[in-house]
Amino acid sequence: AQSVTQPDIHITVSEGASLELRCNYSYGATPYLFWYVQSPGQGLQLLLKYFSGDTLVQGIKGFEAEFKRSQSSFNLRKPSVHWSDAAEYFCAVGALSNTGKLIFGQGTTLQVKP
Amino acid sequence: EPEVTQTPSHQVTQMGQEVILRCVPISNHLYFYWYRQILGQKVEFLVSFYNNEISEKSEIFDDQFSVERPDGSNFTLKIRSTKLEDSAMYFCASSEPTSVKTQYFGPGTRLLVL
Repeated sequence: AQSVTQPDIHITVSEGASLELRCNYSYGATPYLFWYVQSPGQGLQLLLKYFSGDTLVQGIKGFEAEFKRSQSSFNLRKPSVHWSDAAEYFCAVGALSNTGKLIFGQGTTLQVKP
Repeated sequence: EPEVTQTPSHQVTQMGQEVILRCVPISNHLYFYWYRQILGQKVEFLVSFYNNEISEKSEIFDDQFSVERPDGSNFTLKIRSTKLEDSAMYFCASSEPTSVKTQYFGPGTRLLVL
């Protein structure tokens, strides 16, 4: 069955430090992969997506993610974290059924220390 | 920038009552979705809707749930007889009719069933 795993439930980084949020997926074909961010009390905002081509994708707010097929991973990175990046981050994969259904990971809560 | 809107932002209801959650998807989108997020849990797919019919639904989406596109702009989720366990944040999303169905989410409706 398709699944998405985000191994880290909580991560705390200092402002200005680099960030990497892990995402592993289980999928039977080339996946469509997404990262969304949810600020407190807000909806889900699309950060970036991958579906083909260059395995390093750039997103909004200075985020990037790298698709590694050999590791079934799609980790999210940012070189320098800002306090406003504190939020919950969700990795998601598009289901094989191609109806658009997204399967989400459990989410990683990012805390930013001043 | 076009966005998905949802009303109401919060709703409190008594167990057994019917609720209707409303969504206005992005205007040129043709695929529509509902997801829910129980507090502290992952975002779960409920249903996808295209061409005036359900294209996929999850096990959660039982006979108590229904969706409708009553006019050219609204997309609704009805829960006929709410249960305590229906308390959650409900997200509407929409996507363009492309092979990669990138979904854009609304801000959510927080439903509390007492």
